[in-house]
Amino acid sequence: DAKTTQPNSMESNEEEPVHLPCNHSTISGTDYIHWYRQLPSQGPEYVIHGLTSNVNNRMASLAIAEDRKSSTLILHRATLRDAAVYYCILRDVPNFGNEKLTFGTGTRLTIIP
Amino acid sequence: GAVVSQHPSWVICKSGTSVKIECRSLDFQATTMFWYRQFPKQSLMLMATSNEGSKATYEQGVEKDKFLINHASLTLSTLTVTSAHPEDSSFYICSARDLGLAGRYGYTFGSGTRLTVV
Repeated sequence: DAKTTQPNSMESNEEEPVHLPCNHSTISGTDYIHWYRQLPSQGPEYVIHGLTSNVNNRMASLAIAEDRKSSTLILHRATLRDAAVYYCILRDVPNFGNEKLTFGTGTRLTIIP
Repeated sequence: GAVVSQHPSWVICKSGTSVKIECRSLDFQATTMFWYRQFPKQSLMLMATSNEGSKATYEQGVEKDKFLINHASLTLSTLTVTSAHPEDSSFYICSARDLGLAGRYGYTFGSGTRLTVV
C-alpha cells in the first residue's frame, strides 16, 4: 500500500493561512490524493481530493507537486473551528477491486486565538 | 450533500452481550460501506469492507465471527459486536463511497459510535 507521511502536529494563529504538508513518495500513477479532517468525537469529514492538478473548493486548496510525491493542504484563513486532525490519504484500488481508504496518523492542527 | 447516518451514537453494554451498530446512507445508494475502529488518540483502523448482497471482506487480524457485518440493502449496513469484552470498547465509524456531491470517489463518514463494555 502506498503510504503518506505527515507531521504529528502543527499550530497556527487564527485568521492566518495554514499549510499542511504530506509526503507520498511511493504514490502510483492512478492514486488519488484525498484529505479528510476529524473533529473530536466525530467521524472524518471530506475536505478535498485531487489527482495531478491543483484543486480549490470552498473549504480549502490542494497543491500537488509536479512529481506527485508530495502535496499541501492550504486553509486560507484558519478559524477555531478548523482545529482538527487532518488526514492525507491515497485512494487505494488493489487489483482485486476492493477500494478502501487507509488512514495514517494525520496532523493535529491547533488554532491559537 | 451526501449523508451517512450512524446509530447509536454511544452505547454501554455488559461484558458478554452483543451490540448492533447501524449505518445508513440517507440520500444515495452505497454498494460498498466500510467499518473502522478508533482507539483513543489513535488513527482509524479499517476493520472490514461491506459489499451489498455479499460477504464482507475483513482486514487481517479482525475476527469475522466476532464482528458480524450485514449489508442487506443498498442503504444499510450493520456491524454486530458479539460477546463484547472491555477490550472491544472503542469508537466505531462507518463510511460509504459517494459518487455524487463529494466528488468522484469521495467518501462520506458516519458520526461514529462510542462503545463502552463494562
